[in-house]
Parts: sequence; C-alpha cells; structure tokens
Amino acid sequence: DGGITQSPKYLFRKEGQNVTLSCEQNLNHDAMYWYRQDPGQGLRLIYYSQIVNDFQKGDIAEGYSVSREKKESFPLTVTSAQKNPTAFYLCASQGRNTDTQYFGPGTRLTVL
Amino acid sequence: AQSVTQPDIHITVSEGASLELRCNYSYGATPYLFWYVQSPGQGLQLLLKYFSGDTLVQGIKGFEAEFKRSQSSFNLRKPSVHWSDAAEYFCAVGGGTSYGKLTFGQGTILTVHP
Repeated sequence: DGGITQSPKYLFRKEGQNVTLSCEQNLNHDAMYWYRQDPGQGLRLIYYSQIVNDFQKGDIAEGYSVSREKKESFPLTVTSAQKNPTAFYLCASQGRNTDTQYFGPGTRLTVL
Repeated sequence: AQSVTQPDIHITVSEGASLELRCNYSYGATPYLFWYVQSPGQGLQLLLKYFSGDTLVQGIKGFEAEFKRSQSSFNLRKPSVHWSDAAEYFCAVGGGTSYGKLTFGQGTILTVHP
C-alpha cells in the first residue's frame, strides 16, 4: 500500500532531551512537510523540503531541525531548545505537478 | 500574508440535520482552497478542494463546498449529517502545484447528537 508512515505513534521524553520523529513515504512525492498541531490553533508549518538535500524553514522552525538525505524520508528532530515541545506532529507529502498535500497518521510527543 | 478564519470553534447538530461550516480566507492571488477532516488522534483526510472552474465542488462522504470570491469564503456543507461525521474540520488556503505554503484555519469541532 502506498502512503505516509510516522513512527512512533506516541513518544515520551524527558525535558532537555533531543528526540527524532520519523516520516517515510512511498508515494514518490518530491515535497515533504512537517506541521505542529496544538488544540485550537490549527496546523502550523515547521519545515518543508521540495527536493532531496534541500529544505526551508516554515513559520515555527525555532527549536527544530530536519534532514532530507533520501526522497522517501524526512525526519524531524525536536531539540532541547524548543520551549514547549509537547504537541501532535503531522508529516505530509505532495507530488510534482499535483496540488494536494497528503498526511500521515501523526506522532504525539509528550515531554515530561 | 495569507490567512484562514474558521469563526466557529465548536458546532453541535442532530443526526439527519443539515450542516454548514464557515471558512473565510485572505490570499493575494487566485487561491487553492481545501477542506480536510481529522478524527481524534488521526491524520488529516482530504474532503475536497477548489482552484478553478465550477465554484460548487463535490467531495467525499457527501460533502460539498462553494467558493465565493466576493465574500472570500469557502463554506463546507452537507445536507444530512451522520453520526460518523463527528470530527474536526480544517479549511486551508495556498499550496498549489508550486509546492506553496498551506495555511490552515483553527479548525471546527463537529459534535453529532443522535
């Protein structure tokens, strides 16, 4: 089945630790995106990548980092510099010459 | 800057009743508009989209939306709501084929009473 997978579904970390969220897609999409979702605030763009080895900051990139070494993968690292990391994180992808972003199932990160 | 406003944070309807969820947008060019639905703890599923042509667009699960440029609106409608429609609904603007930025509204939570 083609789609976007995010793992794990739930993640718990202690304050001050970096944590990496996985996002993999087998849709052969060029572009990939990371969003953060908080109750009542909709989705906010963290980072996005249009091609391998290139990515751009979104609206709330501070405290986050990404890499795009392979077309299929776009991992997100939540660093200790992120002041309020507890949230639901969604990954999305979009194919060339298409107009729609498709979303993964999300990872809920809780920092204790 | 592009923006989306969903004025209703929470809407409650009875099963079988009609539904309209409001969405107003601000965008400098011809907008690409989307409605997504999210069940609790899940990702987003595309309901429908508009970027040109007929201003009334049909989507999945019996939903439709109408683009009104003069009102900068893209309201979502369903003639008869089912209990399984209970979820959170997001309107979004932007994107398009140039991998442009997608801006989301705050979301509207729909509760359906039996």
